[in-house]
Amino acid sequence: KQEVTQIPAALSVPEGENLVLNCSFTDSAIYNLQWFRQDPGKGLTSLLLIQSSQREQTSGRLNASLDKSSGRSTLYIAASQPGDSATYLCATGGGGSQGNLIFGKGTKLSVKP
Amino acid sequence: ETGVTQSPTHLIKTRGQQVTLRCSSQSGHNTVSWYQQALGQGPQFIFQYYREEENGRGNFPPRFSGLQFPNYSSELNVNALELDDSALYLCASSLGGGYFGEQYFGPGTRLTVT
Repeated sequence: KQEVTQIPAALSVPEGENLVLNCSFTDSAIYNLQWFRQDPGKGLTSLLLIQSSQREQTSGRLNASLDKSSGRSTLYIAASQPGDSATYLCATGGGGSQGNLIFGKGTKLSVKP
Repeated sequence: ETGVTQSPTHLIKTRGQQVTLRCSSQSGHNTVSWYQQALGQGPQFIFQYYREEENGRGNFPPRFSGLQFPNYSSELNVNALELDDSALYLCASSLGGGYFGEQYFGPGTRLTVT
């Protein structure tokens, strides 16, 4: 059974800092991995989707990497801004997921002005 | 391009009642997945509908049921509501069934059971 873990559960950084969020998964036979952002009480916004054949994806200040063999993905946020404050969730597709996404519990990011 | 929409936004029900939540998929998508997100947790997969057929189900009891219409919109029905059913219910649309396509989420429905 796939398990997805995100560490740390919460992170507070000053504005302008570069930061890394971590995601680990137990079953490396995944098809893809998706990073989402969630604002309090809201739905999920898709940030990046990495296919299993890819090593990384980039969108603006965001860069996500995937290392299937070690069961890890990282989300790198450059030059953080207060507007980046949200909960970030990763989810795997495949890897015994019964045909859908398996989510971690998220990392709550706070960027202080 | 129209995004994923859900209705209602908020709902308060009493234990034992029944509820129906609705989701309109993104234009061009034929797959809708439903998730339950308890406070402080990641979303948990309930079930998926692909081209009007159930295409996978998570670890939820039969009182959670669903439907997908020819226009690919979907309903989630929950019977005999329990206090633990209080959560944010999210739907996601994608193309092609399963986990292969990128999933786009709606804003969610907040259900409170008292």
